[in-house]
Amino acid sequence: DGGITQSPKYLFRKEGQNVTLSCEQNLNHDAMYWYRQDPGQGLRLIYYSQIVNDFQKGDIAEGYSVSREKKESFPLTVTSAQKNPTAFYLCASSISQRETQYFGPGTRLLVL
Amino acid sequence: KNEVEQSPQNLTAQEGEFITINCSYSVGISALHWLQQHPGGGIVSLFMLSSGKKKHGRLIATINIQEKHSSLHITASHPRDSAVYICAVTNMYSGGGADGLTFGKGTHLIIQP
Repeated sequence: DGGITQSPKYLFRKEGQNVTLSCEQNLNHDAMYWYRQDPGQGLRLIYYSQIVNDFQKGDIAEGYSVSREKKESFPLTVTSAQKNPTAFYLCASSISQRETQYFGPGTRLLVL
Repeated sequence: KNEVEQSPQNLTAQEGEFITINCSYSVGISALHWLQQHPGGGIVSLFMLSSGKKKHGRLIATINIQEKHSSLHITASHPRDSAVYICAVTNMYSGGGADGLTFGKGTHLIIQP
């Protein structure tokens, strides 16, 4: 089955720790995206990648980093510089820019 | 930057009722998306439309480009329709790619049996 997966479902971060959220897709999509969702707010774009080995900052990139070494994978690292990381993180992919985006099941990050 | 407003924020209805959720935006777009988010958090894309009307099962989405307004209708609503419905727009005047998407805050729908 083609789809987009995220792991883990829940992630706990200690103060000062970097953590990495996984996102994998087997839809052969060129574009991939990371969003953050906070209660009562719309989704906000963290980073996006239109093609392998290229990525661009979104609206709230500070404290986050990404890589796109393979078409299928777009991991997101939440660094210690992100002072308020508790949120629900969603990964998405699309055939190309401006096409329908397909979302993963999400990762909920909590700070200990 | 485009402003996307949804109404109502919360809606509780009885099974079988006809449901309407509204979305308005402030500047021109190239497409509008309706998304559904279930309690577990996963998001499913329901519609992408740039004009007119689309129908899928009991769901109907319409858009009026001149009025910058879209509606999502659910006919014969059922408790399994309970979810958060999110409107998002692909901005027309941007560099393209994901930086062109703006999301509304969502409408929390509960259908009671």
